[in-house]
Amino acid sequence: DIQMTQSPSSLSASVGDRVAISCRASQNIYSYLNWYQQKPGKAPELLISAASSLQSGVPSRFSGSGSGTDFTLTISSLQPEDFATYYCQQSSGTPAWTFGQGTKVEIK
Amino acid sequence: QLVQSGPEVKKPGASVKVSCKTSGYIFASFGLSWVRQAPGQGLEWMAWINGYNGNTSFAQKVRGRVIMTTDTSTNTAYMELRSLRSDDTAVYYCARARASYPYYFDYWGQGTLVTISS
Repeated sequence: DIQMTQSPSSLSASVGDRVAISCRASQNIYSYLNWYQQKPGKAPELLISAASSLQSGVPSRFSGSGSGTDFTLTISSLQPEDFATYYCQQSSGTPAWTFGQGTKVEIK
Repeated sequence: QLVQSGPEVKKPGASVKVSCKTSGYIFASFGLSWVRQAPGQGLEWMAWINGYNGNTSFAQKVRGRVIMTTDTSTNTAYMELRSLRSDDTAVYYCARARASYPYYFDYWGQGTLVTISS
């Protein structure tokens, strides 16, 4: 199975900060990388698909980049509603998909 | 919209069957996956079924213990997990998946808590 490693596992930031979360795949996954946001007690929500395609309704302060094995989710100006846990997920190959372990974004 | 069945409490060794009723889209045009989350832990992809032809794929960890079925008359998907263990305690989510590249999960059910306890 393809392993996904996110860093950091958690971070503390202030409203207005620029935040970057890294996701690394154990092998080439081309651009088959998605990002989700999850708030406590809620189902995850899709933010970005195919590494950089912003989903409809997702604020433009979210962006994704990367290809191959290294990917980044960036929040350009952190807002109060962005405090949550973020997961990357690879969707390469026949359905045998895996998530990263998650990055919890907390208020500083 | 994806609406899941209610919470379950099961004993070790038993089976559980969770349903996911879909609406608002053509069931056969998409796949559906099951993702679980143990208490305080991350997301774990479990299985996928193609809504058109019923093809399935499973994570190695649950392969052989999971059965996925669909009822196209009611647009409902079912996930049955057998030989339950304590580490199967989790919230189980169904999620709509595209049927082709690029795959992603764009709509999710509300989650079903399955508790394994003797």
